[in-house]
Amino acid sequence: AQTVTQSQPEMSVQEAETVTLSCTYDTSESNYYLFWYKQPPSRQMILVIRQEAYKQQNATENRFSVNFQKAAKSFSLKISDSQLGDTAMYFCAFDSIQGAQKLVFGQGTRLTINP
Amino acid sequence: NAGVTQTPKFQVLKTGQSMTLQCAQDMNHEYMSWYRQDPGMGLRLIHYSVGAGITDQGEVPNGYNVSRSTTEDFPLRLLSAAPSQTSVYFCASRPTAFTEAFFGQGTRLTVV
Repeated sequence: AQTVTQSQPEMSVQEAETVTLSCTYDTSESNYYLFWYKQPPSRQMILVIRQEAYKQQNATENRFSVNFQKAAKSFSLKISDSQLGDTAMYFCAFDSIQGAQKLVFGQGTRLTINP
Repeated sequence: NAGVTQTPKFQVLKTGQSMTLQCAQDMNHEYMSWYRQDPGMGLRLIHYSVGAGITDQGEVPNGYNVSRSTTEDFPLRLLSAAPSQTSVYFCASRPTAFTEAFFGQGTRLTVV
């Protein structure tokens, strides 16, 4: 079974700083997708970014970018110029055909942006 | 645009009681899932469905039942509530595999 590990339960940075959240996963497949979701205090789950495993280029969405290292099975999220509104739980997730198309989540990282 | 609607938002049950968490989506998505969120454990998959009439177990299915008689609805039934089922429950839907999942607002369930 696929597993997703987020080794940083909590992180805290100052506003405008850059922060990187770590995610590793375990799979024997070559074709899969990876996601980062954000859960602010409102509890609503929001997609931040998506990466296709067969694409070499790292995905970016405005201030959010990923560092996808396929051989190392690593998928970190970088938030540049962090803002108070980035304070949230962040979840890494894995999706594959052989995984029966189940979206599997990591344990989450609680990120706090301080003014 | 309603998206994914979960009811109720909060619920307190006594041990042994049964109840159904409702989930409805209006986006004509084939894939629907139920997760529970517990501190330090992320979101764990309970049951999922890839279309009407098709359901399968996730990581933590014990104590829960589901059915999918229509594309829109995917209710989660707790058969005999236990304190270990105290959690926040999320329903999610998406068009197919590999696409963005849309989540409901969650149900905070407490079993006493």
